[in-house]
Amino acid sequence: KQEVTQIPAALSVPEGENLVLNCSFTDSAIYNLQWFRQDPGKGLTSLLLIQSSQREQTSGRLNASLDKSSGRSTLYIAASQPGDSATYLCAVADGGATNKLIFGTGTLLAVQP
Amino acid sequence: NAGVTQTPKFQVLKTGQSMTLQCAQDMNHNSMYWYRQDPGMGLRLIYYSASEGTTDKGEVPNGYNVSRLNKREFSLRLESAAPSQTSVYFCASSWEGTNTGELFFGEGSRLTVL
Repeated sequence: KQEVTQIPAALSVPEGENLVLNCSFTDSAIYNLQWFRQDPGKGLTSLLLIQSSQREQTSGRLNASLDKSSGRSTLYIAASQPGDSATYLCAVADGGATNKLIFGTGTLLAVQP
Repeated sequence: NAGVTQTPKFQVLKTGQSMTLQCAQDMNHNSMYWYRQDPGMGLRLIYYSASEGTTDKGEVPNGYNVSRLNKREFSLRLESAAPSQTSVYFCASSWEGTNTGELFFGEGSRLTVL
C-alpha cells in the first residue's frame, strides 16, 4: 500500500530564506506527483505537477524535483515571503488512469516578516 | 472562473440524519472525486468517477453513496450520518484526456455531526 510522508510537519523561517520541503513515498510505481498549497479554511491549489518521466518542474520561485528510485520529492521555495505561509501537501497518483491521489499530511509553513 | 463549486459550505447534522453534498465543475473535466480531510490523517479518497456514468469506491467509502448526475455534477450522500463523519469534504476534478493529471479542488464543505 502506497504511503506518503512529509517531514517536517511544521516549519518556521524568516522572510527571505530559501527553504526545502520534503516528501517521500513507499512505492516507486507512480503516475505523477503533485504539490499543493492549502490556506486555512480553503481548498487545495495545485502548484506543480511532475509526471513520472520527469525529474523536475519549475514555476516562478518554486521548483519541485522527483527521484522515483529513492521515493523522494522536494519542493524548493526561493526567497520566501510571508504570503507563502500555508500548508503544503504532496500527493502521488497510484499509477492508474483514474489518477487517484495518495496524500501526505502536509508541512505547515510560517514565514516570519 | 468558477472552477469547482461545492454546496453547502457548512452543515450541522444530528446523528441519523441524511444529507447530500453537491459538486459541480465547469471545466469539462471527465473525472471527479470526493475526498475527506481529517486532522492528522490527510486527505482520503471516498469515491471517484472516472467518467460520466461510472463510479468507484476509494479508500473510505463506508457510509457514503455517490451519483454522477452528468459530466458536470458529482454528489455525495450521507444516508445516516454518524459523528465519525464529521470532517471537511472536498470535491475535485481532473481532465484525463490530456494526460496532465492536474487536480482542481473546490473550497470544501465543513460538516459537523452531533
